[in-house]
Amino acid sequence: GQNIDQPTEMTATEGAIVQINCTYQTSGFNGLFWYQQHAGEAPTFLSYNVLDGLEEKGRFSSFLSRSKGYSYLLLKELQMKDSASYLCAVRDSNYQLIWGAGTKLIIKP
Amino acid sequence: IAGITQAPTSQILAAGRRMTLRCTQDMRHNAMYWYRQDLGLGLRLIHYSNTAGTTGKGEVPDGYSVSRANTDDFPLTLASAVPSQTSVYFCASGTDDNSPLHFGNGTRLTVT
Repeated sequence: GQNIDQPTEMTATEGAIVQINCTYQTSGFNGLFWYQQHAGEAPTFLSYNVLDGLEEKGRFSSFLSRSKGYSYLLLKELQMKDSASYLCAVRDSNYQLIWGAGTKLIIKP
Repeated sequence: IAGITQAPTSQILAAGRRMTLRCTQDMRHNAMYWYRQDLGLGLRLIHYSNTAGTTGKGEVPDGYSVSRANTDDFPLTLASAVPSQTSVYFCASGTDDNSPLHFGNGTRLTVT
């Protein structure tokens, strides 16, 4: 079966750095997405990786290793507004998106 | 403002009743999707449409139907609601396989 694993919850301190991991086992791979979802709101797109390596976008970076079936989202200089759930999703060989259950990130002052 | 509009925002529905969740986008996206989101689970695809006039079944299609008469609208119908359909429903749209999805604000449905 297809599976995406993320930690259920993480806690970090304002101003610090946090890394949210995502491991996947899917039938084929056609890209990996990270979305942010604040409580009670819709998911919003953060980043996309299709090739191995690091994609940097401001305070957020995303890394992909296709051989290891692994990605992480790195958030720097954490702000209180970064408290949200972070969803990892992989496009499989049929171009269907497979979603992880999300990681709830709690930022403490 | 371009985007996706879902209606209603929330609804309490008696079991056995019929309900249509509305979704409209004005971005001229070809592909549209309906997901349900339940606590502790990832987004699960109910139905999708790659282009107007075509639809397909996702991971959890039972009890739901969709239609895609035009590019902009993609309604989701529950023919006879059951309590297990209590969930938050998100409509999404996209352009091509590498583009991110755009989501509506969701419909919170409670079936009693």
